[in-house]
Amino acid sequence: QSALTQPPSASGSPGQSVTISCTGTSSDVGGYDFVSWYQHHPDKAPKLIIYGVTKRPSGVPDRFSGSKSGNTASLTVSGLQAEDEADYYCSSYGGSDNFVVFGGGTKVTVL
Amino acid sequence: QLQLQESGPGLVRPSETLSLSCTVSGASISSDDSCWGWIRQSPGKGLEWIGSIRSGGRTYYNPSLKSRVTTSIDTPKNQFSLQLRSVTAADTAVYFCARLAVSTREFDFWGQGTLVSVSS
Repeated sequence: QSALTQPPSASGSPGQSVTISCTGTSSDVGGYDFVSWYQHHPDKAPKLIIYGVTKRPSGVPDRFSGSKSGNTASLTVSGLQAEDEADYYCSSYGGSDNFVVFGGGTKVTVL
Repeated sequence: QLQLQESGPGLVRPSETLSLSCTVSGASISSDDSCWGWIRQSPGKGLEWIGSIRSGGRTYYNPSLKSRVTTSIDTPKNQFSLQLRSVTAADTAVYFCARLAVSTREFDFWGQGTLVSVSS
């Protein structure tokens, strides 16, 4: 099972925007609208911030947005805040043989 | 509010079987074709999906771990469990349990995670 490809790091100053890519294949990201994104602070449980490519769970600020084009999904964090500094993971459904696949994670640093 | 809590030994010897349970509160583990899963994070690495089980018992496993993994559901205890056989140091990780939303395939509720170390 191959992990989805994410850049290892991204950064931005407070108030700026940062976009993280998540590249898969036509068998996972490109084949289904089942891409989700998780925010993970150290020693805490991962938190769902985007599901179904673009949807935000209740309570997640609209500064977080998701999109997809072809085999690549993206997460944009607008108006960066200090508390956004965390690891971010994408995930996709990959069919019955690859039920869940995660990306390698991107560490976002707020400068 | 749905809550999940992992439990099990924090230390497992090499070649033995890692066994963890996840207790669900706030919802029935057998309701509405629900789906439950295990995810781990090894030190310094990213999240890795281990496997999932639906309330009806159908299982799905990470192909790279499939030969060593078994998941099961205990409806009376409102728990689901993970067994990982023949462990090595590479299986040292924080193990999370989570609920997988069946219709949209995301993990919407997570446990806090439990560290399992593999060492003699």
